[in-house]
Amino acid sequence: DAGVIQSPRHEVTEMGQEVTLRCKPISGHDYLFWYRQTMMRGLELLIYFNNNVPIDDSGMPEDRFSAKMPNASFSTLKIQPSEPRDSAVYFCASRPGPGAGAFFGQGTRLTVV
Amino acid sequence: AQSVAQPEDQVNVAEGNPLTVKCTYSVSGNPYLFWYVQYPNRGLQFLLKYITGDNLVKGSYGFEAEFNKSQTSFHLKKPSALVSDSALYFCAVRGNTGGFKTIFGAGTRLFVKA
Repeated sequence: DAGVIQSPRHEVTEMGQEVTLRCKPISGHDYLFWYRQTMMRGLELLIYFNNNVPIDDSGMPEDRFSAKMPNASFSTLKIQPSEPRDSAVYFCASRPGPGAGAFFGQGTRLTVV
Repeated sequence: AQSVAQPEDQVNVAEGNPLTVKCTYSVSGNPYLFWYVQYPNRGLQFLLKYITGDNLVKGSYGFEAEFNKSQTSFHLKKPSALVSDSALYFCAVRGNTGGFKTIFGAGTRLFVKA
């Protein structure tokens, strides 16, 4: 398995534009997580899914953020409209069960100018 | 509420010396505890976990961690550090009831000097 695959690896966009980040979890993993990492705030959990259903989105900062998981092999995190303070590295992670460690993708570095 | 604390922003150790990266946690019920490592421009990599059983857990790359329930700690250790161990280390905790949301510590940067 190629691991968790995220795209794009880097994204630079202008303030106000829509940004869509994509994630393909490891096949067979029931849990999928979206995290944001910044120097100031560290690693923050934004939202997670279990069997494609959003379980906890309390970490989503604002209504500008939304996440979907239309099937077991794909998830998106969308920011609309984007703002400079959204600049961060966004990680997707998946895991096979509640007692397992998570596997992280390589992240998407988002820069909003 | 769950929380995890890594009291040291940075740990410096000479190659060949033992290393310890500290972690304390707070969670309702029995915890699931994890250590992850992050190398520059990479995602986090799972190192080891404690769910139940033996308090000393062995993981990848020669790392181990000791679960201490009375001190609510889960310190990461390695008997002999390598320069290649230099990275950012995250401790994480998850409760074993209701939701299984994982909370990460702020991270500790480990520098191993040759």
